[in-house]
Amino acid sequence: KNQVEQSPQSLIILEGKNCTLQCNYTVSPFSNLRWYKQDTGRGPVSLTIMTFSENTKSNGRYTATLDADTKQSSLHITASQLSDSASYICVVSAVPWAGNMLTFGGGTRLMVKP
Amino acid sequence: IAGITQAPTSQILAAGRRMTLRCTQDMRHNAMYWYRQDLGLGLRLIHYSNTAGTTGKGEVPDGYSVSRANTDDFPLTLASAVPSQTSVYFCASSDPTSGRGNEQFFGPGTRLTVL
Repeated sequence: KNQVEQSPQSLIILEGKNCTLQCNYTVSPFSNLRWYKQDTGRGPVSLTIMTFSENTKSNGRYTATLDADTKQSSLHITASQLSDSASYICVVSAVPWAGNMLTFGGGTRLMVKP
Repeated sequence: IAGITQAPTSQILAAGRRMTLRCTQDMRHNAMYWYRQDLGLGLRLIHYSNTAGTTGKGEVPDGYSVSRANTDDFPLTLASAVPSQTSVYFCASSDPTSGRGNEQFFGPGTRLTVL
C-alpha cells in the first residue's frame, strides 16, 4: 500500500530559527512530490513540486529536497517567521495527470513562537 | 468568486439527516475532488470527477454521493449522516493540462459535526 510518513508530528521553534521537516514515502510508481502549507482553518496551498530528476527546489525561505533513491524528502524553513505557523503536508503523486492518485502524509504541525 | 468556495463554513447536524455540502470553482478546471481531513490522519479522497458528467470513487466513498452536472459545481451529499462523518471536508480542483501537473487548489473547508 502506498504510504507517506512525516516527522515530526509537531514542532515548536523560536522566531528566526531554522527547521527541517521530513517526509518518507513508499509510493510506486513515482511521478512527483509536493509540499503544501495549510494555515489553521484554511485549505492547503502548494509550496513546491519536485519530479524524479530534481534534487532541490526553493520558494523564498522554503527549500525542499528530494532523494528518489532513498524515497525521502525534506522541507527546510530558514529564518522562521510567526506566519510560518501552520501544518505542512507532503503529497506524493503516482501519475502526473491523475489527481485521484495522490497519497497524503499526515502533516507536521509547526508553531513559531516569538 | 475567486478560486474555490465552499458552503456552509460549518454545520451541526443530527444523525440520520440528509446534508449537501456545496463547492463551486471559477477556474474552469476539469477535475474536482472531495476530501475529508481528520485529526492525525492525512487528507483522504472521498469522490472525484475528472470532467463534467463523470465521477469516481476515492478511498472512503461509503455514505457519500456526488454529482457533476457542469464544470463549476461539485456538491457532496450525505444521505443519512452518522457521527463517524464528523470531519472537516475540503473541495479541490485541478487542471491536468495546465503544465502544473496535478497541483490541487483547495477550498476553505466545511467543518461538519454529526451528533
